[in-house]
Amino acid sequence: DQQVKQNSPSLSVQEGRISILNCDYTNSMFDYFLWYKKYPAEGPTFLISISSIKDKNEDGRFTVFLNKSAKHLSLHIVPSQPGDSAVYFCAASDGGTGTASKLTFGTGTRLQVTL
Amino acid sequence: GAGVSQSPSNKVTEKGKDVELRCDPISGHTALYWYRQSLGQGLEFLIYFQGNSAPDKSGLPSDRFSAERTGGSVSTLTIQRTQQEDSAVYLCASSLGAQNPKLFFGSGTQLSVL
Repeated sequence: DQQVKQNSPSLSVQEGRISILNCDYTNSMFDYFLWYKKYPAEGPTFLISISSIKDKNEDGRFTVFLNKSAKHLSLHIVPSQPGDSAVYFCAASDGGTGTASKLTFGTGTRLQVTL
Repeated sequence: GAGVSQSPSNKVTEKGKDVELRCDPISGHTALYWYRQSLGQGLEFLIYFQGNSAPDKSGLPSDRFSAERTGGSVSTLTIQRTQQEDSAVYLCASSLGAQNPKLFFGSGTQLSVL
């Protein structure tokens, strides 16, 4: 039962354009969402997060949007740079369990930013 | 060191052998997680330690898998009688506590079972 889904396994975008990575979830108890970025042979690194009380969070070139009614979030990268080429994982947390740090991850989207 | 440290970075073993994977979390982080990533898959939760509480073992795929955390710091994940389907990247992560969802990951151990 995949509670966090990233339906696009890969995405290719030209440098300077916008990258949009999507994530859907099924568990309505999730109240915190994170995006992690992973380069080959490295562990995932935290990128940006959003609480369910917000619908948008921005950090530099990265913006995460949350649509609770649709159980959907997206990560926008503007402008995309070649160094953004990596696998991006969406993750979700249910703080009501008392273990907000126990994350459920999606399967990842491989982003390639071309010159 | 400043980050989560895992060793070895690569491990090749024969089917049926036991392996031990080590994780040294960030100092002061009370929560420690093991995840694994099989080829083409997402991160699969295995086990979680928080302070001195009993670990959450709900993600361990079989009784061949076990883990311990000594002194609230270093953790060892042991896989007994390894099978080819155990081949994956095993990732350790730590966070400041049970209610802090920002995990810091190590670089992982790539386990290959021949």
